[in-house]
Parts: sequence; structure tokens; C-alpha cells
Amino acid sequence: GEDVEQSLFLSVREGDSSVINCTYTDSSSTYLYWYKQEPGAGLQLLTYIFSNMDMKQDQRLTVLLNKKDKHLSLRIADTQTGDSAIYFCAERGRGSTLGRLYFGRGTQLTVWP
Amino acid sequence: DVKVTQSSRYLVKRTGEKVFLECVQDMDHENMFWYRQDPGLGLRLIYFSYDVKMKEKGDIPEGYSVSREKKERFSLILESASTNQTSMYLCASSTRKMRYNEQFFGPGTRLTVL
Repeated sequence: GEDVEQSLFLSVREGDSSVINCTYTDSSSTYLYWYKQEPGAGLQLLTYIFSNMDMKQDQRLTVLLNKKDKHLSLRIADTQTGDSAIYFCAERGRGSTLGRLYFGRGTQLTVWP
Repeated sequence: DVKVTQSSRYLVKRTGEKVFLECVQDMDHENMFWYRQDPGLGLRLIYFSYDVKMKEKGDIPEGYSVSREKKERFSLILESASTNQTSMYLCASSTRKMRYNEQFFGPGTRLTVL
């Protein structure tokens, strides 16, 4: 089945940029997503990118997609303490007609003041 | 405002009890999902449903069953709870009318089985 990998922890200082990386195995992925989970809450969609795009920018967030290497990254500029959360990478394969997504294990981002 | 609600935020049950976790969405979504979340293991899909009375096994269905009698409600059942089912349970829903299939999540139920 599909496999999505990401590192478990990342620590940065407030004001620095954060880069969270993800690799996936399904070359037929159509959409790739970044979800954010704040303490004690469910997941919330942060951003997504369609597979025919290389980059997507939304305010402080930049998503880069390298389809050849099956690599997805999320860059958060000017990281704030409120960005501390778990970030999940997810992908939807071409066969996922029923809306199933495959999630990575999540990266715990800690932002130090 | 889209909403997925779960019946309890915290639940404590004893080994062997039958446990019902309820999830309700108010967005008329066709798809609904149950996940469990454990530290270091991320989200693992237990079951999902793409229509009323329809269900599909996820990656870890053993020890669980589900029921979807109405479109807005998806129940997860632990027939005989065991301590290894202590976990955070997350429900989600999505619609096939949206091309990018965003899943909307509930706040989660933290279940402790003693």
C-alpha cells in the first residue's frame, strides 16, 4: 500500500523558517496535503497541492513538490510560537476514488521563544 | 461553519465492556472515517464508509466494527474493549463533490480501557 514518511521532530527558534519534509511512494498521487494538529484538537487542513504543480504559496506557507523524487516539503516563514503543533503530510492516490487519504506519522514542531 | 462532532472527549471503560463511539457531521458528506492516533504511529485508519450502510476496512479493523444507518452518523463499536485499544480516536468526513477531498476532523475521543 501507499507509504508516507516524515521525520518525527523539529525544533526552531521564533522568527526562523521551518521546513518539514515528507516522502511518499505512490507515483500516481493526485493531491498532497499538509494538515496541522494543535494540542487537544483534531486535524485541520493547512494547505494542499495538486500533482501537476511544483510550488504553492499561501502567506507564510510555501509547499514544494518534487514528483521525480516523490518529495513534498512545507516551509513556514517567520515561525511563531503559535505554530507549535504536529504537522501531517498526506496523499491521495489515483485509486482513492472513495476519498481515502494516506497519512504520515506526523512531525512535532516545537518553536522556542 | 463545517462541523464534525464526537460524542465524548474523554471516556474510561473496563476491559470486556462494549464501547460505542459516535460521530456526527452536519455537512451532508458521503464519506466518513474512523482513525486511531497513537504517539509515534500517527493516524491509522480503522474503517471508512462511502455511503449509508456501506463500509470498508481500513488498515487495522481487528477488534472494531462500525455502523452507518444514517448519512450524518458513523459509529465505531468495540465489541469487547481491551487495554491495547486505549488510544485517541478521531472521526473525519469528506465529500466526493470536492475535487481535493478535504477531510474534516472532529476533536477526538480519548479512550482509556482499564
